[in-house]
Amino acid sequence: GQNIDQPTEMTATEGAIVQINCTYQTSGFNGLFWYQQHAGEAPTFLSYNVLDGLEEKGRFSSFLSRSKGYSYLLLKELQMKDSASYLCASMDSNYQLIWGAGTKLIIKP
Amino acid sequence: ETGVTQTPRHLVMGMTNKKSLKCEQHLGHNAMYWYKQSAKKPLELMFVYSLEERVENNSVPSRFSPECPNSSHLFLHLHTLQPEDSALYLCASSQAWASGSYEQYFGPGTRLTVT
Repeated sequence: GQNIDQPTEMTATEGAIVQINCTYQTSGFNGLFWYQQHAGEAPTFLSYNVLDGLEEKGRFSSFLSRSKGYSYLLLKELQMKDSASYLCASMDSNYQLIWGAGTKLIIKP
Repeated sequence: ETGVTQTPRHLVMGMTNKKSLKCEQHLGHNAMYWYKQSAKKPLELMFVYSLEERVENNSVPSRFSPECPNSSHLFLHLHTLQPEDSALYLCASSQAWASGSYEQYFGPGTRLTVT
């Protein structure tokens, strides 16, 4: 079956670094996406990885290991506005996104 | 208008009502999607249209009926809904899959409550 696992909730301190993990199992693989969703708002695209390795984009980085079916999103220099849910999604062989339930990130001062 | 817009933002309807949700994208995309988002659950893909043709219907009950008159507009017609259909309904758009550009852009959603 197809499955995406990510932690339900994480807490971190303003200014710190946090890593949100995601493991995936899908029928075929065409890339791994991370989205950010603030409460009551639409998900917004953060990153896309299809090759192994780390992609850096400002304070956010995303890592992929295809052999392990594993990805993480790394957030540096955390700000209060980073409090949100972070959604991991794997694109399967039909180019459909299979979504995780999201990780709610709470930032404390 | 920019991005993906959805109307209405909030909708309360009885189980015997008929209503429609509207989505419009201003990004020049040619694929559009309807998703259902319930609390603490993964996004559920309901319908996909690519180049105005429906390519996916993930076993959605017939009380939900999509319509895609052109590449910029998408509707979700609702009738005789059940209370468990209460959720946030999200519309998204992207380039078609052959383009190599796959990220989806979401509208703000319609918060639906069925009473």
